[in-house]
Amino acid sequence: EVQLVETGGGLIQPGGSLRLSCAASGFTVSSNYMSWVRQAPGKGLEWVSVIYSGGSTYYADSVKGRFTISRDNSKNTLYLQMNSLRAEDTAVYYCARVGGNSLGFDPWGQGTLVTVSS
Amino acid sequence: QSALTQPASVSGSPGQSITISCTGTSSDVGSYNLVSWYQQHPGKAPKLMIYEGSKRPSGVSNRFSGSKSGNTASLTISGLQAEDEADYYCCSYAGSSPVVFGGGTKLTVL
Repeated sequence: EVQLVETGGGLIQPGGSLRLSCAASGFTVSSNYMSWVRQAPGKGLEWVSVIYSGGSTYYADSVKGRFTISRDNSKNTLYLQMNSLRAEDTAVYYCARVGGNSLGFDPWGQGTLVTVSS
Repeated sequence: QSALTQPASVSGSPGQSITISCTGTSSDVGSYNLVSWYQQHPGKAPKLMIYEGSKRPSGVSNRFSGSKSGNTASLTISGLQAEDEADYYCCSYAGSSPVVFGGGTKLTVL
């Protein structure tokens, strides 16, 4: 079964750092496009970052320079390193596999909540 | 990276059809046949309903269909059912800043 499980969320103070993990099963992370999408409380979906199978990475302007997407092929896991966190980064963070040709996001993980507050 | 424009809400009665629009620009929706649509029930992760503008993943009801004209994509749900009540989001490839989502539409089944 193809599945994604996110971990690493929690309460963090403004200016702090956090690393999210997304463990995949049923497929190989490194052979796929993988992405992070977030959803602030009561708000819509916001694309955060994508890593292509070839290793190219892209970021939303709102997180560029602060967030880093990466993967560990040996652990079949996707990561999102988040630095210089702000209150506006508070959201549920989802990881998703992205179809290479279709750019459809499927499947999605269950999400992990990041709360940035003092 | 401006979000795609969707109506905040739409509604319909069981059995009726509704259409949700998703308006972008010539830099995203208008230039690529890479629009996808997602259904999200409260407290749940989004679910892919349509990809490449009009294709349905395995297991998605054929009551859901997608189309595009110019810079606007549309999701049509026919034969509305109570379980269709959810939030719906469109998404498009956007070139150099590759992904943009719509603001979301709340569907109410009356």
